[in-house]
Amino acid sequence: DIQLTQSPSSLSASVGDSVSITCRASQTIASYLNWYQQKPGKAPKVVIYAAISLEIGVPSRFSGSGSGTDFTLTISSLQPEDFATYYCHQTYGPPYTFGQGTKLEIK
Amino acid sequence: QVQLVQSGSELKKPGASVKISCKAFGYTFTTYGINWVRQAPGQGLEWVGSINTNTGNPAYGHDFKGRFLFSLDTSVSTAYLQISSLRADDTALYFCAREYAGRVTMFDHWGQGTLVTVAS
Repeated sequence: DIQLTQSPSSLSASVGDSVSITCRASQTIASYLNWYQQKPGKAPKVVIYAAISLEIGVPSRFSGSGSGTDFTLTISSLQPEDFATYYCHQTYGPPYTFGQGTKLEIK
Repeated sequence: QVQLVQSGSELKKPGASVKISCKAFGYTFTTYGINWVRQAPGQGLEWVGSINTNTGNPAYGHDFKGRFLFSLDTSVSTAYLQISSLRADDTALYFCAREYAGRVTMFDHWGQGTLVTVAS
């Protein structure tokens, strides 16, 4: 199975900061990598798909980069509504797997 | 608009079974697969598996073979997840998610989640 390792596991930042979260795959997954945002008690919501594509309706301060095994989610100019947990997710092939999550907290 | 609406919370005893539903609205049900994702309390997301809503063909994650069963009723645009021989560690929030699979593959719409609690 393809393992996804996210770092860091948690992150503290202030409104207006820029942050990056990385996701490393145990084997190449081309660009079959998505990023989800999840708030407590809610379903995840896709923010970036296919490594670099911004989902409709998601603010442009979110961006994704990478291919192969190394990927990054960057959020520039953090807003209060961005504080949540973020998961990477590979769909290169079943079994689909998720990273362990990165909790983004307000400093 | 596209919506996935799941059945309500369940409280079950160890050894019992549970069947939760995921009803789709706003699109042709058999055009997109349905995936199931589990989230234990305070933990991350785990892929339970998926079902092809056109063929009914399921795929299960390694940890979910045997006691977990996917099914469909396409006449009412509904997918089901049945879990048998429930254990305390099955306590979790279970989500269904629509699989958009074209040039890219992602889970583009999610249900609200169904909490399954297993306790004696």
